[in-house]
Amino acid sequence: SQKIEQNSEALNIQEGKTATLTCNYTNYSPAYLQWYRQDPGRGPVFLLLIRENEKEKRKERLKVTFDTTLKQSLFHITASQPADSATYLCALDMGGGSQGNLIFGKGTKLSVKP
Amino acid sequence: DTEVTQTPKHLVMGMTNKKSLKCEQHMGHRAMYWYKQKAKKPPELMFVYSYEKLSINESVPSRFSPECPNSSLLNLHLHALQPEDSALYLCASSQDSGRGNTIYFGEGSWLTVV
Repeated sequence: SQKIEQNSEALNIQEGKTATLTCNYTNYSPAYLQWYRQDPGRGPVFLLLIRENEKEKRKERLKVTFDTTLKQSLFHITASQPADSATYLCALDMGGGSQGNLIFGKGTKLSVKP
Repeated sequence: DTEVTQTPKHLVMGMTNKKSLKCEQHMGHRAMYWYKQKAKKPPELMFVYSYEKLSINESVPSRFSPECPNSSLLNLHLHALQPEDSALYLCASSQDSGRGNTIYFGEGSWLTVV
């Protein structure tokens, strides 16, 4: 079965640096890969979606890459701020046919220190 | 603020009780979801409703019973739960249940079974 690994449970960085989070998966490549942010005690919030035929997607200080050869997605936050501290989840669309079925990784808890 | 509203935010129930979690969205979405999230774990898909019909049931025990009265409402009826069912229950919606849709989550309902 498909496995999703976010290989850093926690990441601590200094304010102003670039945070890079990793999401690896096994088996077949999903058509879509998404990144969500989750703050403690709250529901996840959608950040970015990237398709299998896209190499890179950007939104303000966020950048996502998708390498189907390496079976890996990288999520970057440039000029990080303490307000970026949260858990970041990658999610793969595992649905068969046209049916969506989003499966989440365990998440990486990012802490940005001032 | 999320456009998916969940009530109650907190619920404590005994193992013999019957209670319900409620969810509402007014974004015109035609797919609605229930996810379960334990502490420090990713959200796990329980049910998917597409156009008010149950389209995915991830082998959830029958003590959890979903209901979709109309396209804006989703309920989760709870009966004879176990303490291990204590978790954050997240409702979500998307444009439809097809692949590549953004999932919009509610803030969740914290359930404690005593």
